[in-house]
Amino acid sequence: DAGITQSPRHKVTETGTPVTLRCHQTENHRYMYWYRQDPGHGLRLIHYSYGVKDTDKGEVSDGYSVSRSKTEDFLLTLESATSSQTSVYFCAISLQGTSTDTQYFGPGTRLTVL
Amino acid sequence: SQQGEEDPQALSIQEGENATMNCSYKTSINNLQWYRQNSGRGLVHLILIRSNEREKHSGRLRVTLDTSKKSSSLLITASRAADTASYFCATDGMEYGNKLVFGAGTILRVKS
Repeated sequence: DAGITQSPRHKVTETGTPVTLRCHQTENHRYMYWYRQDPGHGLRLIHYSYGVKDTDKGEVSDGYSVSRSKTEDFLLTLESATSSQTSVYFCAISLQGTSTDTQYFGPGTRLTVL
Repeated sequence: SQQGEEDPQALSIQEGENATMNCSYKTSINNLQWYRQNSGRGLVHLILIRSNEREKHSGRLRVTLDTSKKSSSLLITASRAADTASYFCATDGMEYGNKLVFGAGTILRVKS
């Protein structure tokens, strides 16, 4: 999975609790992305980062925040998890961040919010 | 919102047959990419085709792009059981900046 790890790989939590997912890369790529994957929707972009401390919103950013204090780590936080945030979350990286750039994906985190 | 939409949603074929998946999109694009996802894994990039290209090959994969119809097709020839996966197109466009937008995918099952 192209030097990308995600942790945890599986998590079950309760509504209203905070959750943080971690993406770690060893490729030194500038761009990092968080997607969620739901049946019938494909992948939808939550947030992305174009450098340390540089982040921007994606299509479905409500209820999520991100932080990137080091090149290799990109954290996704659900401040107060809701059942609608039950999903599989994928981290991806790319070198240049352009639309011609290949994105490399991590193995995913399956999150269940009860 | 989805820029690209794949068709069919699911496809089941016998090993050795060809598999064709289609992707339609709504607005003008600069590039279109195809990705594969095996069950329980992340997506893997297959091929990129630029808006000024009409056809591209990579091994058993053939991708076509028709910008007038706003559609692309992915052909997998001589399919193998290992090709069983979900296939996604990803597009960009002026409305989306440099961010890729993925379709909902086609689930391909190759029976041996």
